Amino acid sequence: AQSVAQPEDQVNVAEGNPLTVKCTYSVSGNPYLFWYVQYPNRGLQFLLKYITGDNLVKGSYVFDSEFNYSQTSFHLKKPSALVSDSALYFCADSTLTFGKGTMLLVSP
Amino acid sequence: TAGITQAPTSQILAAGRSMTLRCTQDMRHNAMYWYRQDLGLGLRLIHYSNTAGTTGKGEVPDGYSVSRANTDDFPLTLASAVPSQTSVYFCASSDGVTDYNEQFFGPGTRLTVL
Repeated sequence: AQSVAQPEDQVNVAEGNPLTVKCTYSVSGNPYLFWYVQYPNRGLQFLLKYITGDNLVKGSYVFDSEFNYSQTSFHLKKPSALVSDSALYFCADSTLTFGKGTMLLVSP
Repeated sequence: TAGITQAPTSQILAAGRSMTLRCTQDMRHNAMYWYRQDLGLGLRLIHYSNTAGTTGKGEVPDGYSVSRANTDDFPLTLASAVPSQTSVYFCASSDGVTDYNEQFFGPGTRLTVL
């Protein structure tokens, strides 16, 4: 069975610093992995996904994610955090399993 | 485009009463889903539908039922609500049923069962 895990309930970052939100997965075969963001009182929004190919996954919201097969990780990354990035982030896999979410707080 | 709409936005419901949460999408997506979001538990799949006329059970289906009479609508019914069904409910859809299609989410329905 596939599953994903987000080991951190909350991540605190100062604005301008790089951010990483962690996700690990367990899966047999080729995984399909996703990142979503949720702003307060809103539904989830798709950020990016990994299917196959390059380990560095480019997203449409300036976020990237690095897929690491040997470490079974799919961490979300951004080189310079903004206060507006503060939100709840979920990773998910293709079995419709979501992590428990990581709250990202970016301080000015 | 509206994407996915959900109604009502919020509801307070007496235990034992029934209620239907409505979900409509205008993207002509084949697959639709219902999740509940609870603090500390993330999102959990209740029911899904890969195409009109078919439905399936997710991780936490007990106490809920769904129907998929057409492509656009996917209502979720609580036949006899209990306080443990207090949650935020999200409807979602995806284009196709392949494993690599991302999901589009509605704004959610906040349900309180007293």
